[in-house]
Amino acid sequence: DIVMTQSPLSLPVTPGEPASISCRSSESLLYSNGNSYLDWYLQKPGQSPQLLIYVGSNRASGVPDRFSGSGSGTDFTLKISRVEAEDVGIYYCMQALQIPFTFGPGTKLDIK
Amino acid sequence: EVQLLESGGGLVQPGGSLRLSCAASGFTFSNYAMSWVRQAPGKGLEWVSEISGSVTRTNYADSVKGRFTVSRDNSKNTLFLQMSSLRVEDTAIYYCAKGLYGDFGRHMDVWGKGTTVTVSS
Repeated sequence: DIVMTQSPLSLPVTPGEPASISCRSSESLLYSNGNSYLDWYLQKPGQSPQLLIYVGSNRASGVPDRFSGSGSGTDFTLKISRVEAEDVGIYYCMQALQIPFTFGPGTKLDIK
Repeated sequence: EVQLLESGGGLVQPGGSLRLSCAASGFTFSNYAMSWVRQAPGKGLEWVSEISGSVTRTNYADSVKGRFTVSRDNSKNTLFLQMSSLRVEDTAIYYCAKGLYGDFGRHMDVWGKGTTVTVSS
C-alpha cells in the first residue's frame, strides 16, 4: 500500500496569514496521462469531509481560490493564501492512484 | 440538490452483521462510482470500499476484504455495505461518498453525514 505522510500535524495560523501543508507519498502518484492522483480534503469540526483539490491542483466546485494545490510525483503542497476563521479543521491528503486509496494522518489547522 | 443519506448503523456484538444503506438524490446515480470511507472515534479517515457505476468492479481495503460486501441498486439510487464478522476495530462513522468522474470512486466530491457503527459486547 502507498503510505501518505503529512507535515506539520498541527498548524496554528493567524487570520489573514498564509498557511502551507506538505504531503508526501511512499510511491510516485504520477499516472501515464501526466497527472498526479493526489486529492486534498478538509473536515471541519463536526462535519463530513469535503473535497478541496483533486488531481494535485484542480479546485473542486465551490472551493475559494485562496486554496491551491501543487506538486507532482511524491511531494505535494496545499496552500491557503490568507487563512480565514472558517478554514479551521483537519486537512487530509489522499492518494487516488492505486487501490487501496490511502489517506495521510491529517493536519489540524486552528486559529491563533 | 445533490445528497447522500446513510442509514443502518447501530450497536452490534463482535461477530455480528450489519447492512448499511446510502440513499442518493440529485444526480444520475448509475453514472458515478461510489465509495465507503470510515472514521474510527478520534482517528483519521480510512477508505473501505468502492464500486463502479456499472457494478462491474468492486474493491476493498485489506482490513475488510472477505467480510464486507459493497453493492448498489441503480434502480433505487441506493448504495449498500453488507458487513459481517464484525470486529471491535470496525467501530467507526461510515460515510458514503460519490466519485467526481470516471469509473473509480476517487476524488470524492459529495459525502453523506455518516452513520455510526459500534461493535461491542
